[in-house]
Amino acid sequence: EVQLVQSGPEVRRPGESLKISCKGSGYNFDTYWIAWVRQMPGKGLEWMGVIFPGDSDSRYGPSLQGQVTFSADKSISTAYLHWSSLKTSDTAMYYCARRDSQSLTLWGQGTLVTVSS
Amino acid sequence: SYELTQPPSVSVSPGQAASITCSGNKLGNENVCWYQQRPGQSPVLVIYQNNRRPSGIPERFSGSRSGNTATLTISGTQAMDEADYYCQAWHSSLAVFGGGTTLTVV
Repeated sequence: EVQLVQSGPEVRRPGESLKISCKGSGYNFDTYWIAWVRQMPGKGLEWMGVIFPGDSDSRYGPSLQGQVTFSADKSISTAYLHWSSLKTSDTAMYYCARRDSQSLTLWGQGTLVTVSS
Repeated sequence: SYELTQPPSVSVSPGQAASITCSGNKLGNENVCWYQQRPGQSPVLVIYQNNRRPSGIPERFSGSRSGNTATLTISGTQAMDEADYYCQAWHSSLAVFGGGTTLTVV
């Protein structure tokens, strides 16, 4: 089955680091861009950026530059989203999705990140 | 920054047609896709390249574009179509989502 499976919910304190994951299966993971999309509580979808697992080429949305880091390990078909120092405003649901041409055709189930003191 | 504008909410009676618009000042030069997000679920692509339907999406979903406005139309709306809908386009190699429209079937 073609799918993206994300890691489970996380609770952290402000200032802590975090890495969440997105594992692809059923297709050639390193030949499709993976996008990260943020959805803050009760809000809409927000584009964070993309990474190409084949060579880890990454493009960040203008509001996220420097706030997060994308990475990928193509040997295990997994992409990652990393924060070095979380803020309470990072509380959100985070989705990974496979980009096919100009659309996001396959989505993960989402990872809920809660940052609270 | 580039913005796509959607109405916050649209209401429709069961069996009637619902239309959701998405406008942006350069949308006429870009391909638009639409996503459906039911409560508590991940988004699902329902229209890509302005008017193409992925396999598995019912025929009642259609898309169009005229000038800088794209429209998602749901013909014969059903209760199961009640969801948030987002348009999305690319601008200067970056993707942009519209603010989303809540479709209520009443």
